[in-house]
Amino acid sequence: KQEVTQIPAALSVPEGENLVLNCSFTDSAIYNLQWFRQDPGKGLTSLLLIQSSQREQTSGRLNASLDKSSGRSTLYIAASQPGDSATYLCAVPNDYKLSFGAGTTVTVRA
Amino acid sequence: EAGVTQFPSHSVIEKGQTVTLRCDPISGHDNLYWYRRVMGKEIKFLLHFVKESKQDESGMPNNRFLAERTGGTYSTLKVQPAELEDSGVYFCASSQVRSPRGLQFFGPGTRLTVL
Repeated sequence: KQEVTQIPAALSVPEGENLVLNCSFTDSAIYNLQWFRQDPGKGLTSLLLIQSSQREQTSGRLNASLDKSSGRSTLYIAASQPGDSATYLCAVPNDYKLSFGAGTTVTVRA
Repeated sequence: EAGVTQFPSHSVIEKGQTVTLRCDPISGHDNLYWYRRVMGKEIKFLLHFVKESKQDESGMPNNRFLAERTGGTYSTLKVQPAELEDSGVYFCASSQVRSPRGLQFFGPGTRLTVL
């Protein structure tokens, strides 16, 4: 059974600081890994999808790395802004179901 | 193109009442998934439809939950009777191709509060 863990559960940083969010999974035989963002009262927005053959994926200020052998992914957000405040979730497919971590709630202080 | 929509966005009901949640997937997406997040926990899979057929309902918590997808279009999730522990956010997602190859697109969720 795939278990996904995210550390830390919450993070508060001043504006401009870089963010590092961690995700670990127990079964390394994953097809891909996805990072989502959830704003209060809103749905899940897909940020980055990393295929199992990739080591990293970048989109603007976001960079996600994947180390399948160690069961880890890291989401880096450069030069954080107050608008980055949200809950960030990682998820891996377990066949067709997605297994989610509990998320990291980020607060960026202006 | 419209995304996945869910209705209502928020529902507050008394324990013992019935609530029906609706999900409209992206047009043309045969695969539809229901997930839920209860307070303080991670998002958990509930069930998966391919068109109108239930492929996997292993995540459904008990027989108070009934999901349907008549005609293979929109889906409903009924909770009858609702209990306090059913409170949470219910997400619907759809994909054109079955995951993991198919990317799942999520709706905004329905926040259910059972008092």
